[in-house]
Amino acid sequence: GDSVTQMEGPVTLSEEAFLTINCTYTATGYPSLFWYVQYPGEGLQLLLKATKADDKGSNKGFEATYRKETTSFHLEKGSVQVSDSAVYFCALTNYGGSQGNLIFGKGTKLSVKP
Amino acid sequence: NAGVTQTPKFRVLKTGQSMTLLCAQDMNHEYMYWYRQDPGMGLRLIHYSVGEGTTAKGEVPDGYNVSRLKKQNFLLGLESAAPSQTSVYFCASSYSGTHGELFFGEGSRLTVL
Repeated sequence: GDSVTQMEGPVTLSEEAFLTINCTYTATGYPSLFWYVQYPGEGLQLLLKATKADDKGSNKGFEATYRKETTSFHLEKGSVQVSDSAVYFCALTNYGGSQGNLIFGKGTKLSVKP
Repeated sequence: NAGVTQTPKFRVLKTGQSMTLLCAQDMNHEYMYWYRQDPGMGLRLIHYSVGEGTTAKGEVPDGYNVSRLKKQNFLLGLESAAPSQTSVYFCASSYSGTHGELFFGEGSRLTVL
């Protein structure tokens, strides 16, 4: 079945460091790919998405490119801030799958130190 | 601007007790979902609904029941709680079942002793 694998955490960075969180997926067909973020004590919220190969999603300085050839959707940010500390989830949804259900990776906790 | 609202936010139960979690959305979404979040496991789908009066099983449905009597509400019930059901539960809704964004509630933390 469809699945998402993302890098284990936690990840600890200093402010202004470069961030990469790796995400690879297994899916039949043409899934849409997402990054969700969960701030402490809150629910998940959409950070960015891409619906077809070579699309780049971007938001709040974060970017991810849908790479079909490597089945990847790595999250990057050039300069992280303390306020970026959160848990990041990579996810996919597959047309024709479980009615729009998102399949999530296990999450990567990011801590940014001043 | 409520979005998705879950009640209660915290609950402690004893083994064998029953309870219901309520999810309400004000966005007129057709699709609603219940997930549980456990450490190191990510989010796993319990049940979902594609419209008023419909429900379907997700990845981990055992021990849970759901109902969608009104479009805006999606109820998750535990008939006989077990310690393995200690978790954080998230409700989500979506306008579209294909490539749509999910909107999540703030979560309900349930502890079963």
